Amino acid sequence: AQTVTQSQPEMSVQEAETVTLSCTYDTSESDYYLFWYKQPPSRQMILVIRQEAYKQQNATENRFSVNFQKAAKSFSLKISDSQLGDAAMYFCAYSSNDMRFGAGTRLTVKP
Amino acid sequence: KAGVTQTPRYLIKTRGQQVTLSCSPISGHRSVSWYQQTPGQGLQFLFEYFSETQRNKGNFPGRFSGRQFSNSRSEMNVSTLELGDSALYLCASSLGAQLDYGYTFGSGTRLTVV
Repeated sequence: AQTVTQSQPEMSVQEAETVTLSCTYDTSESDYYLFWYKQPPSRQMILVIRQEAYKQQNATENRFSVNFQKAAKSFSLKISDSQLGDAAMYFCAYSSNDMRFGAGTRLTVKP
Repeated sequence: KAGVTQTPRYLIKTRGQQVTLSCSPISGHRSVSWYQQTPGQGLQFLFEYFSETQRNKGNFPGRFSGRQFSNSRSEMNVSTLELGDSALYLCASSLGAQLDYGYTFGSGTRLTVV
């Protein structure tokens, strides 16, 4: 079974600084998708960024970018120029036949 | 375009009762999945429906069931509620059976069992 591991339960970053959230996964499949979701206190999960496993190029969405290392099965999220509104739970997810989530990382942004 | 709508937002039930939660996906989305979110277990996959058929099922007891209607709306039912069923239940929809573009989530139903 596929598993997703987020080894950082909590992270903190100063406003305007950069932070990287880690994620590793385990799979024997070659074709899959990876995602980062954000869950603010409002509870709604919001898609931050997606990565197709067959693409070597790392995905980027404005201040959010990923470092995808397929051989190492690593998928980290970098948030640049952190803003107060980035404070939330961040979940890494792996998708093949269904979607599996990591345990989440709580990000605090200090003003 | 309306998002994924879950009703009710909050629910308090007594142990032993049953409960039905509703989810209306984004218009045109045919796949609906349900997740249970708790502080201790995180997000756990319950089941997925596509075109009224259950396509995948997580590792939950038979007290948890669901269905999908022809308009893609979905319901999940939990019978004989236990205290441990207290959780945030999230519904998510996607356009097709493939999850290549991920999910759109609803805001969830907070179920408290007392």
